[in-house]
Amino acid sequence: QVQLVESGGGVVQPGRSLRLSCAASGFTFSSYGMHWVRQAPGKGLEWVAFISYDGSNRYYADSVKGRFTISRDNSKNTLYLQMNSLRAEDTAVFYCAKDDGFEELLAYYFDYWGQGTLVTVSS
Amino acid sequence: QSALTQPASVSGSPGQSITISCTGTSSDVGSYNLVSWYQQHPGKAPKLMIYEGNRRPSGVSNRFSGSISGNTASLTISGLQAEDEADYYCCSYAGSSTFVVFGGGTKLTVL
Repeated sequence: QVQLVESGGGVVQPGRSLRLSCAASGFTFSSYGMHWVRQAPGKGLEWVAFISYDGSNRYYADSVKGRFTISRDNSKNTLYLQMNSLRAEDTAVFYCAKDDGFEELLAYYFDYWGQGTLVTVSS
Repeated sequence: QSALTQPASVSGSPGQSITISCTGTSSDVGSYNLVSWYQQHPGKAPKLMIYEGNRRPSGVSNRFSGSISGNTASLTISGLQAEDEADYYCCSYAGSSTFVVFGGGTKLTVL
C-alpha cells in the first residue's frame, strides 16, 4: 500500500532554514510527480510546490518562490522541501502528496497524502 | 483570500442531500476539467473524493458525486451520514503559471 511519511518539522526562528523529507513506499516513486501542500493552523489547504517524476520540472506558489526548493532523490524514494528565510506566516502542517499522473502525464490532483509534519516559525 | 470560492459552512440532516459549490474563473475551473475534491476530518490528512470533475476513486462511496458548469464546480453528497461531517476542499488546475489552486474549504455539519 502507498505510504508517505514526512519528517523534519519543528520550531525554527524567523529567517532560519529547515528541510523537510517525505519517504515514499508502496509505489514506483520514480514514475510519479510529487507535491507539497501546507495548512496553517485552523486554515485551509495551500498548494506549495510540485516536482515532476524525474525532477526536470518544478513549480512553486508565489508565496514561497525564491525561498523554498523542492527536490527528490529517486534512488532513496524520498522527496524534499528546503525552506529558507522562513517567516511566521510559513507556520503550518506540511503534507507531501502524490500526483496520480504517470511520468509526463500530470493529473493535477493528489491521490495519496502523508500524515503531515508541523513547522512552527517563532522567535 | 483563496483563489476558489466555497461557502464557509453547509449543514444537513441524516439521509438528506447537500451540495457544496466551488466558484472559480475562466482561468481555472472554467478552462480545465481538472477539479478535485478532498474530505478532511479534524487532525487527519485530506482524502481524495472526486477527481477530473466527476470521477470517483476506487473505494469512495457513490453517495459522492461531482459536476462542473461554467466556472463553478459542485460536490453533492446524498444520503448524508454522520461520518460525512468534515471539511471539504475543492482544487483546480489553473495553468502553467499558477499551477494549482484550492478553495477556502467548507465545513459540513450533519445535524
